[in-house]
Amino acid sequence: DAGVIQSPRHEVTEMGQEVTLRCKPISGHDYLFWYRQTMMRGLELLIYFNNNVPIDDSGMPEDRFSAKMPNASFSTLKIQPSEPRDSAVYFCASSLGQDRSTDTQYFGPGTRLTVL
Amino acid sequence: AQSVTQPDIHITVSEGASLELRCNYSYGATPYLFWYVQSPGQGLQLLLKYFSGDTLVQGIKGFEAEFKRSQSSFNLRKPSVHWSDAAEYFCAVGVLGGADGLTFGKGTHLIIQP
Repeated sequence: DAGVIQSPRHEVTEMGQEVTLRCKPISGHDYLFWYRQTMMRGLELLIYFNNNVPIDDSGMPEDRFSAKMPNASFSTLKIQPSEPRDSAVYFCASSLGQDRSTDTQYFGPGTRLTVL
Repeated sequence: AQSVTQPDIHITVSEGASLELRCNYSYGATPYLFWYVQSPGQGLQLLLKYFSGDTLVQGIKGFEAEFKRSQSSFNLRKPSVHWSDAAEYFCAVGVLGGADGLTFGKGTHLIIQP
């Protein structure tokens, strides 16, 4: 299995531009998570999906952020308009979500976003 | 809501020496506990996890962790570190195992001295 795939790996954009981050979860996984990592706040959950349905988006910082999962193999995290404080590493993770005693979240390599 | 504290921001250990990274959690019941490692520019890799049963859990790369309910701790240990262990280590807690968002500690940066 290729693991969780994220693209792009690096994104540099200017303030005010729209940014779209992409994630392909591990095939067969029912749960998909988006996390953000910054020096100040560490790793924090933004949103997660179960069977393509958003379950908890309480971590999404503001209306500029939106996430979708149109099918089981693809999710996007969009920032519009972007601001310098959005600069961070964004991770996608997926899990089976079927047996709590054995389940694990597998993380992608992350997208490093820099907003100038 | 649950929380995780990793008291040590940086730890320096000589190669071959033993290692212990501290993790304390706050949650009303027994949570699901995880240790992840992050190498520079990489994603997070699971080292080990605790759900129930034996409080001493074995993980990959020679790591182990012990769950102590009375101390709300889940410390990570390794008897002899290697230079390749230099990385950032994160302790995390989950309520539903892999089926909900994890709450992470701020991480401990491990430096290995030759």
